[in-house]
Amino acid sequence: ETGVTQSPTHLIKTRGQQVTLRCSSQSGHNTVSWYQQALGQGPQFIFQYYREEENGRGNFPPRFSGLQFPNYSSELNVNALELDDSALYLCASRSGGGRDTEAFFGQGTRLTVV
Amino acid sequence: AQTVTQSQPEMSVQEAETVTLSCTYDTSESDYYLFWYKQPPSRQMILVIRQEAYKQQNATENRFSVNFQKAAKSFSLKISDSQLGDAAMYFCAYAGGTSYGKLTFGQGTILTVHP
Repeated sequence: ETGVTQSPTHLIKTRGQQVTLRCSSQSGHNTVSWYQQALGQGPQFIFQYYREEENGRGNFPPRFSGLQFPNYSSELNVNALELDDSALYLCASRSGGGRDTEAFFGQGTRLTVV
Repeated sequence: AQTVTQSQPEMSVQEAETVTLSCTYDTSESDYYLFWYKQPPSRQMILVIRQEAYKQQNATENRFSVNFQKAAKSFSLKISDSQLGDAAMYFCAYAGGTSYGKLTFGQGTILTVHP
């Protein structure tokens, strides 16, 4: 078990609604990344926050937005949900904003859009 | 853009035997890291092993070792003395020098271990 916790574990939403997913990073970690993993696929990078600032973003539309708090926990917000947003959303935390430190993943939030 | 390809959707191995999972990647960067992650049914992604591109020596972690061929852009994972607990989805991943920690994952390989 890592020290990264995500909530909720499962969620069902209706198309067009908005959703907020939460991630509590491991103690001592100041960087949080979010990934979307469609069924049977590898995770796709959404964005990363380092010390409360977004410092990297993948190919996701602006309706995917995020936030990092002073305690380094993070939220992922998705507006105007579409059926294709159904996926497992993974959060990963690390110490430092670069690529040379190990990323620790949470257990994910399974989002189903109907 | 960097890409990671895993050409084996599924692999199987007998308990105590050895299995090798394949991964190729494409990049124009010279400084990068490569990783193998394991994702069991619990969904939590766990780091198995990592390799720094500038290190010629292949990384090893107990029963897990890699064959890193930089010129061929190949990064395979060898699991020796396979155990039932090794059954999971395995992902190869890349993090480049300018990627601020972004991981680019392959499509994954489902590993089944038969008793």
